[in-house]
Amino acid sequence: NAGVTQTPKFRVLKTGQSMTLLCAQDMNHEYMYWYRQDPGMGLRLIHYSVGEGTTAKGEVPDGYNVSRLKKQNFLLGLESAAPSQTSVYFCASTDANGAFNYGYTFGSGTRLTVV
Amino acid sequence: AQKITQTQPGMFVQEKEAVTLDCTYDTSDPSYGLFWYKQPSSGEMIFLIYQGSYDQQNATEGRYSLNFQKARKSANLVISASQLGDSAMYFCAMRPNTGGFKTIFGAGTRLFVKA
Repeated sequence: NAGVTQTPKFRVLKTGQSMTLLCAQDMNHEYMYWYRQDPGMGLRLIHYSVGEGTTAKGEVPDGYNVSRLKKQNFLLGLESAAPSQTSVYFCASTDANGAFNYGYTFGSGTRLTVV
Repeated sequence: AQKITQTQPGMFVQEKEAVTLDCTYDTSDPSYGLFWYKQPSSGEMIFLIYQGSYDQQNATEGRYSLNFQKARKSANLVISASQLGDSAMYFCAMRPNTGGFKTIFGAGTRLFVKA
């Protein structure tokens, strides 16, 4: 089982450039999430999706857009990267149907540096 | 507002001893789940243990147990018989059982296990 796969694993962007982070899961999970991890702040939710074709804002959505055209994929876009978006980005998914004790399955993370 | 507080930025424990990592939370949701995740130096996020808000007994998973005190809104993680491989960052997290199953995370506690 691949679980949750994130690409790329590392990226360096110049200020103002755009990029898309891809998250793919093969567990047929309904719910998918994008978090960013910054030192001393834990993980903060950027956007999430409760099913194919749906997206919603999390705690820190500004500067990011998302799309979930297919159930297995959740894309995170940065239209005009800023140094404040330097972070480690994690994608996660969960199947909350009928069982609340599921933790998230996380991808391995994307380390993004904006210079 | 929902919040997770981990007051111990760093902890040291001697190998083979037990250690308690503190976590308090705040929520107005009547039904929620509490989680602990481990992040080793390699960076991946690993789900460790879950406690439901209506569960009468404390959760256990091998050497991990969750000391749940609902009235105090605390969900401390106890690791028994610490091993060198337990050295990692540990995150406490809470997820209400409604609204997209969004999880909020604490800032984390870094555990160092000494030989």
